[in-house]
Amino acid sequence: AQKITQTQPGMFVQEKEAVTLDCTYDTSDQSYGLFWYKQPSSGEMIFLIYQGSYDEQNATEGRYSLNFQKARKSANLVISASQLGDSAMYFCAMRDLSGGYNKLIFGAGTRLAVHP
Amino acid sequence: ETGVTQTPRHLVMGMTNKKSLKCEQHLGHNAMYWYKQSAKKPLELMFVYNFKEQTENNSVPSRFSPECPNSSHLFLHLHTLQPEDSALYLCASSQDGDNYGYTFGSGTRLTVV
Repeated sequence: AQKITQTQPGMFVQEKEAVTLDCTYDTSDQSYGLFWYKQPSSGEMIFLIYQGSYDEQNATEGRYSLNFQKARKSANLVISASQLGDSAMYFCAMRDLSGGYNKLIFGAGTRLAVHP
Repeated sequence: ETGVTQTPRHLVMGMTNKKSLKCEQHLGHNAMYWYKQSAKKPLELMFVYNFKEQTENNSVPSRFSPECPNSSHLFLHLHTLQPEDSALYLCASSQDGDNYGYTFGSGTRLTVV
């Protein structure tokens, strides 16, 4: 079965510094997709970045980049130049296509606190 | 309106009440989902609707009853809930092949008293 593991329940970072949030995954599929979502205190899940298993380049979206190490089955999120508004829960997720339809399975999440 | 809209945002209900959560998407997506998010637990997939057909029910108790009348609307009917059902209920939609995963609503925070 597919599984996502986020081992950091909480992280803190100084404003303007970079921070890495860890994510490891387990799958027997050759083709898969990995996602990161941000959940502020308001509750909405906001899509941040996507990495496909066959993508040779690490994905980047503005201040977000994904450090994808396929052999180690890790997909860590790097946030550069942290801002106070980055304080939130961050979830790593994997696309599961078993059953013939698209569904996402999520890790337990990491709570990030950005300090001024 | 755009995106995924959930109503109500907050709901307090007694264990004998019947209520419904509503989700609406205007993205033209062909799949909709209900997730439950409890404190200190990963998001739990409850139901999946693909082209209005329910394709997954993850052993959810029968006191939760989904309804998908069309591809834009999804309901979660609640009756005789328990206090442990208090959680954030998130609706999402997606389009097969879309690499942006799901688009989520803001959720309904449910408290069962």
